[in-house]
Amino acid sequence: GENVEQHPSTLSVQEGDSAVIKCTYSDSASNYFPWYKQELGKRPQLIIDIRSNVGEKKDQRIAVTLNKTAKHFSLHITETQPEDSAVYFCAARDNYGQNFVFGPGTRLSVLP
Amino acid sequence: NAGVMQNPRHLVRRRGQEARLRCSPMKGHSHVYWYRQLPEEGLKFMVYLQKENIIDESGMPKERFSAEFPKEGPSILRIQQVVRGDSAAYFCASSPPSRSGDEQYFGPGTRLTVT
Repeated sequence: GENVEQHPSTLSVQEGDSAVIKCTYSDSASNYFPWYKQELGKRPQLIIDIRSNVGEKKDQRIAVTLNKTAKHFSLHITETQPEDSAVYFCAARDNYGQNFVFGPGTRLSVLP
Repeated sequence: NAGVMQNPRHLVRRRGQEARLRCSPMKGHSHVYWYRQLPEEGLKFMVYLQKENIIDESGMPKERFSAEFPKEGPSILRIQQVVRGDSAAYFCASSPPSRSGDEQYFGPGTRLTVT
C-alpha cells in the first residue's frame, strides 16, 4: 500500500522568510496530492492540491510542486506571516482504492 | 452549501459506556472517512466508507469499534465499552465520487473524553 513520508517534522522560520515542506510517496498509482493546514484545536483545512498531470500550482503565497519521476511533492510558503504557524499535513490518493494516506505532519513556527 | 457536519462536538463518557459519533458529509459527497487524532499527533486513519459499504477498515481496532454509513442518514462511528485510551479528537471527512473530483473536506471533529 501507499506510504507517505514528510520532512521536516518541525520548522522554524523568521517572519518574511520562505518555508518548504517535502513529502515522498511510494505508490506510482497515486494521482492526487492535497495539503492541509491545522491550527491548534481546529479541523484540518485544505489549502492547496495538485494532480499528477500538473507539475506546479500556485495560489498567492503558497505553491506546490510535484515530481512524478522521483515521487515527491513539496509545499512552498513565501513571505511567511505569524498566522502561517500551524501543523501542515500532506496526503496522497490513488486512483484505485481512492483512499487518502497522510504524512505525519510538520509543525511550522513563524517567529515575529 | 453546508460543510461536513459532526455531532456532538464534545462528548464525555464514563469508562464502560458507549460513544456514538455522527458525521453528515457535504452535499453530493458519497465517500466518508474517519480519523483519530491524539493531542500533538497526526491523523490516524480508521475507516473509509461509501453508502452502505465499508471500503477500507484497516485502521479500525478489531474490538469495540464499528462504523456504518447507511443509505439514509449520517455516518456513525460507534465505540462500545469506552476506555480512557479512547479519549481523542475524532474527525470525519468526506469527498465526492471520484468521477466528480477528489477534494476531501474535514468536519469540526468530536472531542471524546472518557472519565
